[in-house]
Amino acid sequence: EVQLVQSGAEVKKPGESLRISCKGSGYSFTSYWISWVRQMPGKGLEWMGRIDPSDSYTNYSPSFQGHVTISADKSISTAYLQWSSLKASDTAMYYCVRISSGWSPGMDVWGQGTTVTVSS
Amino acid sequence: EIVLTQSPGTLSLSPGERATLSCRASQSVTSTYLAWYQQKPGQAPRLLIYGASSRATGIPDRFSGSGSGTDFTLTISRLEPEDFAVYYCQQYGSSRYTFGQGTKLEIK
Repeated sequence: EVQLVQSGAEVKKPGESLRISCKGSGYSFTSYWISWVRQMPGKGLEWMGRIDPSDSYTNYSPSFQGHVTISADKSISTAYLQWSSLKASDTAMYYCVRISSGWSPGMDVWGQGTTVTVSS
Repeated sequence: EIVLTQSPGTLSLSPGERATLSCRASQSVTSTYLAWYQQKPGQAPRLLIYGASSRATGIPDRFSGSGSGTDFTLTISRLEPEDFAVYYCQQYGSSRYTFGQGTKLEIK
């Protein structure tokens, strides 16, 4: 079964650092891009950026460039999303998604989501 | 950046009725790069339609997508109880993705 399994919920204080993970299984991890999508409480979906796990090439949404870092370790089929200094406004659900390698780059597999709560 | 505007914001219908959801882009979108997603409360979204009109694996044929250029439509031919959810359109272009703000399909 193709799946993305994300790390568990996090509760952090403003200014703290954080890295959440997304482990792929059931497919060739280096053959598909991984993206991260944010969903703030009660709001819609926002694309944050993506990574090619085969060479760790990344590109980011301008809205998130410089605020987060996306990385991957292909040896363990895991992608990461990290913050160096969290803000209360980072409180959200974060999804990792697989980008289809076919002719249409849809997001065909979704992780279960990781809830991040930032509060003093 | 291409902005996607979905309408209506909320659609109230009854099971068995036909649902028509609209997604309008601020500039032309390549049909290949237009997708639709469904999200139910407490769940991750799932891919419904890709390439504007192709159903993803396991998606019932009551779901269909159409459109081109700046106007795209998701149609649910006969609503089932499990179809009441939030629907998002999404486009890919210039190495980035954008989502519409969503349409909530609720039971009337």
